[in-house]
Amino acid sequence: GQQVMQIPQYQHVQEGEDFTTYCNSSTTLSNIQWYKQRPGGHPVFLIQLVKSGEVKKQKRLTFQFGEAKKNSSLHITATQTTDVGTYFCAASGSARQLTFGSGTQLTVLP
Amino acid sequence: ETGVTQSPTHLIKTRGQQVTLRCSSQSGHNTVSWYQQALGQGPQFIFQYYREEENGRGNFPPRFSGLQFPNYSSELNVNALELDDSALYLCASSFDRADEQYFGPGTRLTVT
Repeated sequence: GQQVMQIPQYQHVQEGEDFTTYCNSSTTLSNIQWYKQRPGGHPVFLIQLVKSGEVKKQKRLTFQFGEAKKNSSLHITATQTTDVGTYFCAASGSARQLTFGSGTQLTVLP
Repeated sequence: ETGVTQSPTHLIKTRGQQVTLRCSSQSGHNTVSWYQQALGQGPQFIFQYYREEENGRGNFPPRFSGLQFPNYSSELNVNALELDDSALYLCASSFDRADEQYFGPGTRLTVT
């Protein structure tokens, strides 16, 4: 079945530094979604990318979808302690089933 | 607008027992998906219900079954519990199988 690989697994940054997580698939994706899960919480939808080469921004967060629609990235500029959590990419397959990556756990040191 | 709710919050069961988990979808949503999330892993798709019919199933054995009711709430049933079933079970609702999913707080199941 469809698989998405996500790297890195863990990332520790100093507050104010940038952070990037990457999501890769061996197959072409119809779309990619990004979710954030705070410690002890549940995944919260951030954004969906559909078009080849699409770039979307949400304040300090920039999301990109690769030209071949096989990879995606989430970049956070000037991290804050409120950015702490695990960031998941998720690919939509048949019947709208979501396949989640393994996540990148972000720790922000004050 | 009422968000997705799940019950119970926590549950402890013994191997071999059966469990039922419940989910109320967000107001206006007619699709419910269930996920299993082991510690340190991403959510794994179990199945999806759309307008009371199963609309897709992940790689889970038949002892995982579900229902969706006319008000679009849903149940996840797991028979013959195994130790590996210990996980956070997440319910997510959406409108007309739309991709954007709204997750509930989850049920933490521990099998001893």
